[in-house]
Amino acid sequence: EVQLVETGGGLIQPGGSLRLSCAVSGFIVSSNYMSWVRQAPGKGLEWVSVIYAGGSTYYADSVKGRFTISRDSSRNTLYLQMNSLRAEDMAVYYCARGVPAAGTFDYWGQGTLVTVSS
Amino acid sequence: EIVLTQSPGTLSVSPGERATLSCRASQSVSNSYLAWYQQKPGQAPRLLIYGASSRATGIPDRFSGSGSGTDFTLTISRLEPEDFAVYYCQQYGASPLFSFGPGTKVDIK
Repeated sequence: EVQLVETGGGLIQPGGSLRLSCAVSGFIVSSNYMSWVRQAPGKGLEWVSVIYAGGSTYYADSVKGRFTISRDSSRNTLYLQMNSLRAEDMAVYYCARGVPAAGTFDYWGQGTLVTVSS
Repeated sequence: EIVLTQSPGTLSVSPGERATLSCRASQSVSNSYLAWYQQKPGQAPRLLIYGASSRATGIPDRFSGSGSGTDFTLTISRLEPEDFAVYYCQQYGASPLFSFGPGTKVDIK
């Protein structure tokens, strides 16, 4: 059974750093492309970052230079390192598994809430 | 940069009726890399349609997708109580690499 479980969210002050984790089971994290998608309270979905099976990474302009996506195959876990956090980064962060050659996401975690506030 | 526009913003429909949701892109979506998701309050999005018209695993056949280029449609043929939710379209390939529309809320009339 495919499962994705995010952890690491919480309350952080503006300018601070946080690392989110997404532990996956039922598949190998490096075999698919994987993304982080966020949703601010009461708002729509916003794509944040992707890491492809080959290791290439891409970011939304809103987080480029501040966030870093990575994975650890030995732990079967996806990460999102978030630095220089801003109020507008406050959101529920979802990790999602990509569907090869389809450009979409078939499995999602339950999300972890990041609150940026002083 | 590609922009996805969804209409209407809110659609009020009675159970058993048909719902037609629109997603328009500001430029052509390559290879029909257009997907639809359903999201209920407090839940993660659920993939319904990919490749503009292919149903994801386990999705009932009352959900169908169509369109190409810049105009796409999600149709729910007969609304069930569990279908009242927010629906998002999503594209892949343009800049930004992935993007979502603002969503259409389908609520009970």
